[in-house]
Amino acid sequence: KAGVTQTPRYLIKTRGQQVTLSCSPISGHRSVSWYQQTPGQGLQFLFEYFSETQRNKGNFPGRFSGRQFSNSRSEMNVSTLELGDSALYLCASSPRGDFSYNEQFFGPGTRLTVL
Amino acid sequence: GDSVTQMEGPVTLSEEAFLTINCTYTATGYPSLFWYVQYPGEGLQLLLKATKADDKGSNKGFEATYRKETTSFHLEKGSVQVSDSAVYFCALSGGNSGGGADGLTFGKGTHLIIQP
Repeated sequence: KAGVTQTPRYLIKTRGQQVTLSCSPISGHRSVSWYQQTPGQGLQFLFEYFSETQRNKGNFPGRFSGRQFSNSRSEMNVSTLELGDSALYLCASSPRGDFSYNEQFFGPGTRLTVL
Repeated sequence: GDSVTQMEGPVTLSEEAFLTINCTYTATGYPSLFWYVQYPGEGLQLLLKATKADDKGSNKGFEATYRKETTSFHLEKGSVQVSDSAVYFCALSGGNSGGGADGLTFGKGTHLIIQP
């Protein structure tokens, strides 16, 4: 089975621009979560989607948004980029999203640099 | 909200040494606890987990026991190898993260370096 794939792997943007990141989950997985990883704040939960619905959201401003398609693929969007948005963005998929009993499988991440 | 505290390191050990990475947590309810590992240039991989008090998770020679009385989930391995060099994250799920979030809450990560 193919793992979680994320595109692009690297991205450079300038302040004020917007960016869209893509995640393809493992086949059959319906839950997709997004995390931001920075040296200062570590790994922080952004949001989780299940069957095209956002079920949970972390403590991030409204500039961060996402969506999930009927094939479970997910995108996240960051508008009006700030320098502090530079980070590794990780996507994880799970069969049903009950993380206590369903392992999350992580992709390699998208490295976003904001100049 | 929920939080996880772990030693950040780097932790440098010689091959075949005994490893302990401490992890303590704060959470309401009854969280599940996890250890993830991140090798350079890769995403996170689940190493082991425990879903209730006194459970012991184990994998690849690593072990951790869910201690509710001390709110801890320390990672141990009896004899480390150079290939164990990576960043290790302690995490929890199922507690109250606040703001309606229910994803994984991670510690800052411990960079482990094993020297031959």
